[in-house]
Amino acid sequence: ILNVEQSPQSLHVQEGDSTNFTCSFPSSNFYALHWYRWETAKSPEALFVMTLNGDEKKKGRISATLNTKEGYSYLYIKGSQPEDSATYLCALRRVDSSYKLIFGSGTRLLVRP
Amino acid sequence: EAGVAQSPRYKIIEKRQSVAFWCNPISGHATLYWYQQILGQGPKLLIQFQNNGVVDDSQLPKDRFSAERLKGVDSTLKIQPAKLEDSAVYLCASSLEVASQAFFGQGTRLTVV
Repeated sequence: ILNVEQSPQSLHVQEGDSTNFTCSFPSSNFYALHWYRWETAKSPEALFVMTLNGDEKKKGRISATLNTKEGYSYLYIKGSQPEDSATYLCALRRVDSSYKLIFGSGTRLLVRP
Repeated sequence: EAGVAQSPRYKIIEKRQSVAFWCNPISGHATLYWYQQILGQGPKLLIQFQNNGVVDDSQLPKDRFSAERLKGVDSTLKIQPAKLEDSAVYLCASSLEVASQAFFGQGTRLTVV
């Protein structure tokens, strides 16, 4: 059974704080690592797709890094805002017959005004 | 571009009843996924289609769950009979091809009482 682990499980921060989450995964047969943001009652929204070791991607105040050799990715949010409150999911794609997305259990972020 | 459409948004049924969910993927997307997300857990792949063929259904409880994708476009997921532990959000997603970015619908929240 392949495990994609995310930590922490939940996080409460004050508006303006910067924060980061971790996604760890088995590094064998790596194809891609996806980050999604899922707000309540909405569709999970794709944030980043990362494929190369050492990749760094940025979208506004959110950025992510990838280490495929040791099997982890970090997601950073700079200057958190209440609208950043959501569950952040990472998902692994491996080289296999289906390339299916294997999700972690997510980090639930609550940003207090 | 229209996103992935799912219906219904919410459904409450009694155990042992049957239920069906519908998904209309993004036009032109060959790959369609059904995920089950139980509260506190990450989404778990139930079934993955490539056009109208099944690529992966290894985690689909085949004694009660069935899915089809007629003509390689829309898909339905059925549960018959439902159990209490089937209470979850059922997410449909589609991608252009097997390993490309997946886009999600808003999901159907099922409550079995």
